[in-house]
Amino acid sequence: GAVVSQHPSWVICKSGTSVKIECRSLDFQATTMFWYRQFPKQSLMLMATSNEGSKATYEQGVEKDKFLINHASLTLSTLTVTSAHPEDSSFYICSARDVRGAGTGELFFGEGSRLTVL
Amino acid sequence: EDQVTQSPEALRLQEGESSSLNCSYTVSGLRGLFWYRQDPGKGPEFLFTLYSAGEEKEKERLKATLTKKESFLHITAPKPEDSATYLCAVQWGYTGGFKTIFGAGTRLFVKA
Repeated sequence: GAVVSQHPSWVICKSGTSVKIECRSLDFQATTMFWYRQFPKQSLMLMATSNEGSKATYEQGVEKDKFLINHASLTLSTLTVTSAHPEDSSFYICSARDVRGAGTGELFFGEGSRLTVL
Repeated sequence: EDQVTQSPEALRLQEGESSSLNCSYTVSGLRGLFWYRQDPGKGPEFLFTLYSAGEEKEKERLKATLTKKESFLHITAPKPEDSATYLCAVQWGYTGGFKTIFGAGTRLFVKA
């Protein structure tokens, strides 16, 4: 299957600072990437859809100014958690669809990024 | 309301004890149903896609089946390395795009 790389795997930051997480599709191009948040023992919650060359589409209840998403190329999307607070601590996962398989719909996931805000 | 429900929440098996995980859904206009495996602290790993009722897919000890209302993930003679959380996701289309929602997952524990 397609490979999606996410970096960093884990990050610890102080409250009030900003953290950037990168999501790269390594062997395919992705016009659309998705950012999820996952709490312990819970399922994936879609935060936003990242569209290459245009603004991200945020799910209801997700603060656009808190979670900045940029999809500058067909292989890279970034999520920046701005002015992070302890309640932002979570496991963030990105996924992408291979444009060559636009009819199939499988999402390929990164390894996830564990954010801890002190 | 569109929903995806997985059961049981957790399943404990002895090595070699076959069983099934269930994923029921209420979305209309299904485009695809996906099964993923997720290990602790890792992103989900893609297993199967099913598109229409009656379809079956197999991979090693896993077999996924689909009906109009639910999907089953059958695990035959599981081994301890099959221990993981298994996630089901359902995708459907609407004007201008598609949406994918995930079930809460089934945590599988296989004891040697």
